[in-house]
Amino acid sequence: GDSVTQMEGPVTLSEEAFLTINCTYTATGYPSLFWYVQYPGEGLQLLLKATKADDKGSNKGFEATYRKETTSFHLEKGSVQVSDSAVYFCALSPPLGGSYIPTFGRGTSLIVHP
Amino acid sequence: NAGVTQTPKFQVLKTGQSMTLQCAQDMNHNSMYWYRQDPGMGLRLIYYSASEGTTDKGEVPNGYNVSRLNKREFSLRLESAAPSQTSVYFCASSGRSSATNEKLFFGSGTQLSVL
Repeated sequence: GDSVTQMEGPVTLSEEAFLTINCTYTATGYPSLFWYVQYPGEGLQLLLKATKADDKGSNKGFEATYRKETTSFHLEKGSVQVSDSAVYFCALSPPLGGSYIPTFGRGTSLIVHP
Repeated sequence: NAGVTQTPKFQVLKTGQSMTLQCAQDMNHNSMYWYRQDPGMGLRLIYYSASEGTTDKGEVPNGYNVSRLNKREFSLRLESAAPSQTSVYFCASSGRSSATNEKLFFGSGTQLSVL
């Protein structure tokens, strides 16, 4: 079945450091790929998405490129801020035609120090 | 613009007690979900409802029941709470179908402790 693998956290960085959170997936067909972010005490919210190979999703300075050849969707940000401290989840959409149940990774906690 | 509303936000139960977590969405979404989130386990799907009147088991349904009362509301019931059900519970909803690859909208969660 479909699966998403994320790097384990926590990832601890100083403010203004470069961020990469790795995400690889296994899926049938051509899923859409998503990054969700969960701030402390809140539910998940969509950060960015990409719907086909070579698409780049971007939002709030974060970027991720859909790489079909490496089945990856790594999240990057050039300069992190303390306010980016959160848990980040990679996810993929299910095959067309069935019930809409996305597959989530286990989440990666990011801690940014001043 | 409320989105997905969950109640209560916090709850403490004794083993064997029952309770119902309420969830409502105002986006006219067909699909609704209940997840639990535990440290190191990520999100695990308990039950989902693809449309009004239908419900299906997810990955971890044991000990839970659900009701899709109408298109807006999807409740989760613990009939006899156990300490293993201590968790943070999230309700979510999404647009019509996998054909549109809609994102999920999440509620703010219910922190449940079972003593």
